[in-house]
Amino acid sequence: DAGVIQSPRHEVTEMGQEVTLRCKPISGHDYLFWYRQTMMRGLELLIYFNNNVPIDDSGMPEDRFSAKMPNASFSTLKIQPSEPRDSAVYFCASTRGGRDNEQFFGPGTRLTVL
Amino acid sequence: AQSVTQPDIHITVSEGASLELRCNYSYGATPYLFWYVQSPGQGLQLLLKYFSGDTLVQGIKGFEAEFKRSQSSFNLRKPSVHWSDAAEYFCAVGLSNFGNEKLTFGTGTRLTIIP
Repeated sequence: DAGVIQSPRHEVTEMGQEVTLRCKPISGHDYLFWYRQTMMRGLELLIYFNNNVPIDDSGMPEDRFSAKMPNASFSTLKIQPSEPRDSAVYFCASTRGGRDNEQFFGPGTRLTVL
Repeated sequence: AQSVTQPDIHITVSEGASLELRCNYSYGATPYLFWYVQSPGQGLQLLLKYFSGDTLVQGIKGFEAEFKRSQSSFNLRKPSVHWSDAAEYFCAVGLSNFGNEKLTFGTGTRLTIIP
C-alpha cells in the first residue's frame, strides 16, 4: 500500500493567492482528517470526514479555509486568500475507524506564504 | 474538554540510557491514549495505543507505556535508546465512542540522543 499521499510536498506562494492542498487516503479507509502543525500551536485538527461527509469542521480557523471530499479517494484543503500566518505544515491522515484502527499520516505539505 | 500535557519540551539522553517521556491527560471518561513519533520531515507514526485492559502497553521499536488512572498519566518508556530514536514524540487522547476520531495532541517532546 502506498500510504496516504499528499501533494504538493512544498508550496511557496504570495499573500493573497489561492492555495490548494491535495490528499489521497489509503484505500478502504472511511475517515479522513486534515491537521495543521505550527511551532506556536502544535498539531491542530482542522476538519474530518466520514464516508466523504464533513463531520466536524470546528477547527477550521476561518472562512478563508475550505475542505472538500468529492469521493473516497480524494480530498482538498483550500485557502483563499492565503496569508503569511497560514504558513505551516498541513497533514492529512486516514483510518478505517473503530477503536482498534490507527490514523495513518501522510508526509505533509509545507506551506510558506510570503 | 479533553486535553493533553507533555511537560517536557526537549529531552537529551545518552545513547544506551533509559528514557521516560511524560504525558498527562484530562478527560472525563475512560480515555483512549496514543503515542506517535515524528521524524524530521516526516508524518506521524503510531508507536502504541491504550484502549482498555492491561495498563502496560507494548509498542513498536521497543517502546512501552503505562496507563495510570490515579495519576492521569500515560508515560512512554524505553530501556535503552538508540541514536535512531531522535525525533519528536506526541501523546494524544481520543474523543469518541470509537476512540480513534478527533485526536487531541500534546505539544510534543523533542528527543535528542548524544553519543
